[in-house]
Amino acid sequence: KAGVTQTPRYLIKTRGQQVTLSCSPISGHRSVSWYQQTPGQGLQFLFEYFSETQRNKGNFPGRFSGRQFSNSRSEMNVSTLELGDSALYLCASRDGTGGYGYTFGSGTRLTVV
Amino acid sequence: GESVGLHLPTLSVQEGDNSIINCAYSNSASDYFIWYKQESGKGPQFIIDIRSNMDKRQGQRVTVLLNKTVKHLSLQIAATQPGDSAVYFCAPSSGGYQKVTFGTGTKLQVIP
Repeated sequence: KAGVTQTPRYLIKTRGQQVTLSCSPISGHRSVSWYQQTPGQGLQFLFEYFSETQRNKGNFPGRFSGRQFSNSRSEMNVSTLELGDSALYLCASRDGTGGYGYTFGSGTRLTVV
Repeated sequence: GESVGLHLPTLSVQEGDNSIINCAYSNSASDYFIWYKQESGKGPQFIIDIRSNMDKRQGQRVTVLLNKTVKHLSLQIAATQPGDSAVYFCAPSSGGYQKVTFGTGTKLQVIP
C-alpha cells in the first residue's frame, strides 16, 4: 500500500507570492489533515478535510486555505506569503470514520525569502 | 475539547540504557493516544497506540503506560539504540472525528 505522498518536497517562494501544496492520501483514507511544523511551535494543526468537506479548523489566518477532491487528494494554499510562513508542512491521512491514527507524509519544506 | 500533549524538550540517554519519555495531557475526555517518532527530515511515524481502557501496552522494545487519573502517559524504550534518536510526540485524541493536537515533542539524544 503506497504511503502518503506530498509534492513538492522543497519550495522557495518570495514574500507576497502564493503557493499550493499537494497531498495524496493512503488509498481508502477519506480524511486528510494538514499541519505546520516550525522549530519553536511544534506541530500546529491547520485543518482537516473529510469527503471534500472541511471538518476541523485550527487557528490560522484566512490566508491559509485548503480543499479536497472527490478522490480524497487534498491541496492547501497559502496566499500573500510572509517570512513567518517558512515551515515544514505535513499532510496526514486517516480512515476518518473511527480509525483515529494518522499516517504522515514526508512533508513539503517551504522557505519564504 | 483540545488536549495537547505536553513534553519535556530534550532527553539524553546512554546507548544501551532504557529511555522513558513522558507526556501530560489536559483533556480528561481523551480516549486514544498515539506515540509518534519523527526523524530528521521525515514526517512523524506511528510507534504504538493505547486506548483509555488499557493502562499498559507493549510493542517491540517499546512500552506505553497510561495513567488516566493524573492524565499522564509514558513511552519506555528498552536498550536504546542510536537509531532511536528522534523527536517523540504523544497525540491524545477524543473521538475519531476530533482533530489531533500535538505538543512540541521530546528530542531523544542517544549518546554512543
